[in-house]
Amino acid sequence: GQSLEQPSEVTAVEGAIVQINCTYQTSGFYGLSWYQQHDGGAPTFLSYNALDGLEETGRFSSFLSRSDSYGYLLLQELQMKDSASYFCAVEQAGTALIFGKGTTLSVSS
Amino acid sequence: GAVVSQHPSRVICKSGTSVKIECRSLDFQATTMFWYRQFPKKSLMLMATSNEGSKATYEQGVEKDKFLINHASLTLSTLTVTSAHPEDSSFYICSARGTLTNEKLFFGSGTQLSVL
Repeated sequence: GQSLEQPSEVTAVEGAIVQINCTYQTSGFYGLSWYQQHDGGAPTFLSYNALDGLEETGRFSSFLSRSDSYGYLLLQELQMKDSASYFCAVEQAGTALIFGKGTTLSVSS
Repeated sequence: GAVVSQHPSRVICKSGTSVKIECRSLDFQATTMFWYRQFPKKSLMLMATSNEGSKATYEQGVEKDKFLINHASLTLSTLTVTSAHPEDSSFYICSARGTLTNEKLFFGSGTQLSVL
């Protein structure tokens, strides 16, 4: 089966940098995705890594190390609106995403 | 970008009734759609995978007779919660993958089901 581990909660202040780690165990790994979800809303796609290395999308970056079964999401210049739940999710070729339990990020002023 | 429309966004029903949730891919053909369930402050749990024109594949522990899934066309999948009970109250989210390989998943906006 698959399993993903990520911290349950992270707190930070506006303007700070936060890293949310994700370790996974899965067979047939295809890629690691990150999603953001605000209360009452649907998940929205943030980033995807299929190969080792860093992917940068604006204030958000995601990193993957396939050999370590590890990835992280880096959020820079934090804003209040970044307060949300963040999920890592593993993808096996052609199948559904399997989500981690989510990390609740609270950004304060 | 691709759009997945999910309807209704919120439904309140009495115990024992059935509720149908629709998931449509508006600007692409979705050969595969996935249904997730999410309890408050919890992760998204995959319920089933539906493929156009064939029976859905249910995850372990999901009652196929209770959660009926139909994927009759390349743009529409439905989830029917039959004889709903209060413990079925949850947030249900569909997602769709296009016909091309390696396409990322697109999510509907979700349906909050409350069974009284």
